[in-house]
Amino acid sequence: NAGVTQTPKFRVLKTGQSMTLLCAQDMNHEYMYWYRQDPGMGLRLIHYSVGEGTTAKGEVPDGYNVSRLKKQNFLLGLESAAPSQTSVYFCASSPLDRMSQPQHFGDGTRLSIL
Amino acid sequence: AQTVTQSQPEMSVQEAETVTLSCTYDTSENNYYLFWYKQPPSRQMILVIRQEAYKQQNATENRFSVNFQKAAKSFSLKISDSQLGDTAMYFCAFGYGNKLVFGAGTILRVKS
Repeated sequence: NAGVTQTPKFRVLKTGQSMTLLCAQDMNHEYMYWYRQDPGMGLRLIHYSVGEGTTAKGEVPDGYNVSRLKKQNFLLGLESAAPSQTSVYFCASSPLDRMSQPQHFGDGTRLSIL
Repeated sequence: AQTVTQSQPEMSVQEAETVTLSCTYDTSENNYYLFWYKQPPSRQMILVIRQEAYKQQNATENRFSVNFQKAAKSFSLKISDSQLGDTAMYFCAFGYGNKLVFGAGTILRVKS
């Protein structure tokens, strides 16, 4: 009964390095989301996907790329990490009828960029 | 654009007492949902309660209830009989289409 699993849970990068965060869900949900959480600002949507092979920009997409090659996985990439991307990243998923079903969240990834 | 405002950055309450967290939102949408999420120190995001905008009746979940005032665009959370385990960050969120917009959060500390 895993739900939404994020990998890794913690990571420290140097400025300019690249990395990929992995989100996996086992609930057969259509929608998947990536958020970032910064102090005093709540969660902000980075990118989202409404189905396999589709992605769309959220509120703060700059500096990030995403891919949804398989329905159960949603990857978030940082091509050239910057200190401003230091944050806690959350992945979430929800069924097709999102308005009546809440989003299910992973446990977050704490990412520090030095 | 939709916005969610939580005007109380921090609050504290004595164990067993009642506390109310405030949330206001701005939208031109008519069909939407409102949520309260709890984030304890473990960082998990836990759904506390949900309200459909078309329902006038306020949602309740055990010790948690909301006061939903659609015309005033207000959605406050009342926690009764507060417990130490209620200590957490609480986020109000507005849901429309396939997106959620979150407030900045309120840190609630329950004191023994």
